[in-house]
Amino acid sequence: EIVLTQSPDFQSVTPKGKVTITCRASQNIGSSLHWYQQKPDQSPKLLIKYGSQSISGVPPRFSGSGSGTDFTLTINSLEAEDAATYYCHQSSNLPDTFGGGTKVEIK
Amino acid sequence: EVQLLESGGDLVQPGGSLRLSCAASGFTFSSNAMSWVRQAPGKGLEWVSVISGSGDSTYYTDSVKGRFTISRDNSKNKLYLQMNSLRAEDTAVYYCAKTLYGGVLHAFDIWGQGTMVTVSS
Repeated sequence: EIVLTQSPDFQSVTPKGKVTITCRASQNIGSSLHWYQQKPDQSPKLLIKYGSQSISGVPPRFSGSGSGTDFTLTINSLEAEDAATYYCHQSSNLPDTFGGGTKVEIK
Repeated sequence: EVQLLESGGDLVQPGGSLRLSCAASGFTFSSNAMSWVRQAPGKGLEWVSVISGSGDSTYYTDSVKGRFTISRDNSKNKLYLQMNSLRAEDTAVYYCAKTLYGGVLHAFDIWGQGTMVTVSS
């Protein structure tokens, strides 16, 4: 099973600030890494697919990078509505696995 | 509009059974693999099972193998999860999720609202 290690677990950032979340895979997964946003009491929402590909309707302040074992989700110019928990997910090998999540708080 | 709507969650005793359903609309259901993903209270996401678009291929996480069965009825646009021999650690919100493309290994682009399963005496 591929283990995804996300860091940090928690990040508190002021509005208009920048958030950087990393996800490290226990083995090479190519670009099969996706990012989701989950707000309290809501279901997850796909933000970035295949490492860096944007999703229609997702604000451009969300971007992804990386391949192989190291990936990054960046949120530029943070807005209040971005308060949520963010998860990475690999679909390179079954079983699919998720990172432990990063909770982003707005200061 | 593409939509997934789960139902069937309930309070059940340890050792009991439950069948979850997920009604799909707004897309060609048989063209996409479908998964179940669960989230225990206050915890992260855990993939449970996936079924191919045709229903011919199914896969499970180790902790539910032999207890859970995923199935689908493409004529009714419905996905199911039959859960037997339920344990306290199966307590979670269960989401159905649509894979982005036809294969079983892809991002999940659409999620349902979730249905709560509580296993307790």
